[in-house]
Amino acid sequence: RKEVEQDPGPFNVPEGATVAFNCTYSNSASQSFFWYRQDCRKEPKLLMSVYSSGNEDGRFTAQLNRASQYISLLIRDSKLSDSATYLCVVNFRGDTGRRALTFGSGTRLQVQP
Amino acid sequence: GAVVSQHPSWVICKSGTSVKIECRSLDFQATTMFWYRQFPKQSLMLMATSNEGSKATYEQGVEKDKFLINHASLTLSTLTVTSAHPEDSSFYICSASNRLAGTDTQYFGPGTRLTVL
Repeated sequence: RKEVEQDPGPFNVPEGATVAFNCTYSNSASQSFFWYRQDCRKEPKLLMSVYSSGNEDGRFTAQLNRASQYISLLIRDSKLSDSATYLCVVNFRGDTGRRALTFGSGTRLQVQP
Repeated sequence: GAVVSQHPSWVICKSGTSVKIECRSLDFQATTMFWYRQFPKQSLMLMATSNEGSKATYEQGVEKDKFLINHASLTLSTLTVTSAHPEDSSFYICSASNRLAGTDTQYFGPGTRLTVL
């Protein structure tokens, strides 16, 4: 079982649509949670951190459910520029005591005019 | 945000040669640097973690003698792919963090695309 699982998509949505991505993680000791965005052939860029209380940044809303080990990202009023792969990322302290980011394989979003 | 650079951005080499990739933090001191590898349509996989002035810690399945990591200063880490083979062709991305700043935030470099012929 993958440590971080995401639906690979692609999600094809029209401009202006609302789209939601989900992610589950297997390690209950996970401590920090993030959504990153990765454009084709580029490095990942931090979109937002995810907190248990839920947090919003403009058109983007992230939610964390620790009991279900589930993270979500909601994008409202999709723009063409939102087309990218969205990576669910979890940070936990491993067996060696080190903390490391574990990346999901990403969900691809394609916003169409 | 903090800036991390990588050099080169892409490299093509012959099988059997060695390739060195540099990762620099431009405006902060990177106490820890991470090296990832990403194959097409797959997630980033952590290869190794290096702390300035100490040996790198490699993830399971990553050969430390093949992927040499040096983190000699707080602003520079290098990854050398020794005796590269076509299966080493991948997108190599570094990231850097400053634990002394009290945060685990990692800042990513733009990546290096390696193609081994």
